[in-house]
Amino acid sequence: GQNIDQPTEMTATEGAIVQINCTYQTSGFNGLFWYQQHAGEAPTFLSYNVLDGLEEKGRFSSFLSRSKGYSYLLLKELQMKDSASYLCAVRDGSDSWGKLQFGAGTQVVVTP
Amino acid sequence: DGGITQSPKYLFRKEGQNVTLSCEQNLNHDAMYWYRQDPGQGLRLIYYSQIVNDFQKGDIAEGYSVSREKKESFPLTVTSAQKNPTAFYLCAAENRDTPPYGYTFGSGTRLTVV
Repeated sequence: GQNIDQPTEMTATEGAIVQINCTYQTSGFNGLFWYQQHAGEAPTFLSYNVLDGLEEKGRFSSFLSRSKGYSYLLLKELQMKDSASYLCAVRDGSDSWGKLQFGAGTQVVVTP
Repeated sequence: DGGITQSPKYLFRKEGQNVTLSCEQNLNHDAMYWYRQDPGQGLRLIYYSQIVNDFQKGDIAEGYSVSREKKESFPLTVTSAQKNPTAFYLCAAENRDTPPYGYTFGSGTRLTVV
């Protein structure tokens, strides 16, 4: 089975930086995804890491350490529209494709 | 534009009724998934299909059924055997052609038992 942990909620001020941590314990590993989900809407893809290191994409960056079972999503220059839930998802290494296991999500609240 | 369409957006079910949630995609992806989302919990996998005419149970398949007669369609039936069906249901199709090989989700169906 899998265990994916991330904080329940984080609050930050507009223009600031927030780091959302995700730790996982899996029987195998074949990639880690971050999704953004606004209330009542579909999750949308943010980032993908399969090798150790940092992936940067505009204001969002994601880091992975496979040996530590650890990832973080870094949101810079926060905007009010970044208020959303951020989902960490791991692909089990027993399958080459498919079957993402999701954490419970981190609700980020951006204040003026 | 390619995407996934789920309907209806809101659905109300009386106890003892079966209801079917629609999921249609025009992305030409082989693999499709159904997840259930409850407050404070992660998405939980109900059923998935990797190819037409084939599907497998996920972690919480009891009380649900699916079919995959066409590549584009993967409907989910919530049966009367599902004791707590009130939830937000998300359908996804998986890109296996180009990196990063992730999911595209539909906009979801919110099911409420009345």
